[in-house]
Amino acid sequence: SQQGEEDPQALSIQEGENATMNCSYKTSINNLQWYRQNSGRGLVHLILIRSNEREKHSGRLRVTLDTSKKSSSLLITASRAADTASYFCATVQNTGTASKLTFGTGTRLQVTL
Amino acid sequence: KAGVTQTPRYLIKTRGQQVTLSCSPISGHRSVSWYQQTPGQGLQFLFEYFSETQRNKGNFPGRFSGRQFSNSRSEMNVSTLELGDSALYLCASSSPAGSTGELFFGEGSRLTVL
Repeated sequence: SQQGEEDPQALSIQEGENATMNCSYKTSINNLQWYRQNSGRGLVHLILIRSNEREKHSGRLRVTLDTSKKSSSLLITASRAADTASYFCATVQNTGTASKLTFGTGTRLQVTL
Repeated sequence: KAGVTQTPRYLIKTRGQQVTLSCSPISGHRSVSWYQQTPGQGLQFLFEYFSETQRNKGNFPGRFSGRQFSNSRSEMNVSTLELGDSALYLCASSSPAGSTGELFFGEGSRLTVL
């Protein structure tokens, strides 16, 4: 079962605009990660935010985490056509020596010229 | 450094057959995880192996099994295939125990069951 629910399911914007995706989860986590998947391909890790962090930046990406609301958001600024992909949040629970990732349902982003 | 390699990339099977998928992790990575991705269920965790031992297991029937070899390569097997097993099967590797859990994915094996 999915730990995270993402919102919106699909998002269509024009190049240059910002895209915001939200992720809500149910249980306590060690960290939360965001991945991108181009159609039919493998997932690529984008950014990781730890449970004691509130905001993190990486290039055009900005991630926030609110553990009290069990939610995270991913902001992509100045979007490009190449950003068209599906984006997944993944929550991480450390179970002893193992880390278990549980993925959300994903947001499909379409960036048009 | 070579990435995660999955073979075969595409395969077609018929109901009742069995299939074996292979995954070679990034050199030095000892943890290998498997996920099933379908349009209806999204990304579902199958199992994780570390040093030839299954560490975590998802909620899949016993028809789904896996193993890991001493060189960290992993295989997963699905027996008595059903139509619903049609999916993209993704393998991911990660660095040793105690890490943050960042996964490095292969391109997947797309299985079609007819």
